Amino acid sequence: QSVLTQPPSASGTPGQRVTISCSGSSSNIGSNYVYWYQQLPGTAPKLLIYRNDLRPSGVPDRFSGSKSGTSASLAISGLRSEDEADYYCAAWDDSLSGVVFGGGTKLTVL
Amino acid sequence: QVQLVQSGGEVKKPGASVKVSCKASGYTFPNYGITWVRQAPGQGLEWMGWITGYNGNTNYAQKLQGRVTMSTDTSTSTAYLELRSLRSDDTAVYYCARRLAEAGMGYYMDVWGKGTTVIVSS
Repeated sequence: QSVLTQPPSASGTPGQRVTISCSGSSSNIGSNYVYWYQQLPGTAPKLLIYRNDLRPSGVPDRFSGSKSGTSASLAISGLRSEDEADYYCAAWDDSLSGVVFGGGTKLTVL
Repeated sequence: QVQLVQSGGEVKKPGASVKVSCKASGYTFPNYGITWVRQAPGQGLEWMGWITGYNGNTNYAQKLQGRVTMSTDTSTSTAYLELRSLRSDDTAVYYCARRLAEAGMGYYMDVWGKGTTVIVSS
């Protein structure tokens, strides 16, 4: 059971906009930044979003993050086949004094 | 470019120990910490802890306390993860990643190694 809650799966067709949610509590998302990682099949995770809504250099602006209260979301617009991957949210948890991850959302591009 | 190169896969028996290395290049090693994350087969990511690059301070996940040791060798820009008393549920891919801190509001990993597979089996 992960501390942050994500839907196990999401899907969309090419060109669509998809949103992945991440729910936490006051000790993690409610008081700290949220980060998103993308893991393509058989590869290491890659930083996608940091500080709630910022994109590292090289990440397309089709990817965007937001946070409100104890929840966060990752939106992918103009969906492409290469976006098919697992997506994880993460945050620092003040109560656990550690980084907590969501269980991951497997995105399928139909 | 910034790179983290991890050691090769390991097969260990239950009760044994394993030590995984992570050699950094392309940046000033003491200026950043190293985080370790593992992923069991078909499962999600699990944060194991971190070690700072400049003074070796550590912060371990509570569930691993007593079985894990993270260390660094600044002369070779290498970080190490040692896990003892291995069990079958320690079978996983172990990743090292460069850690960045954000003024008490969070920590994240911007560069990742390719991972080291550790299999625990009798």
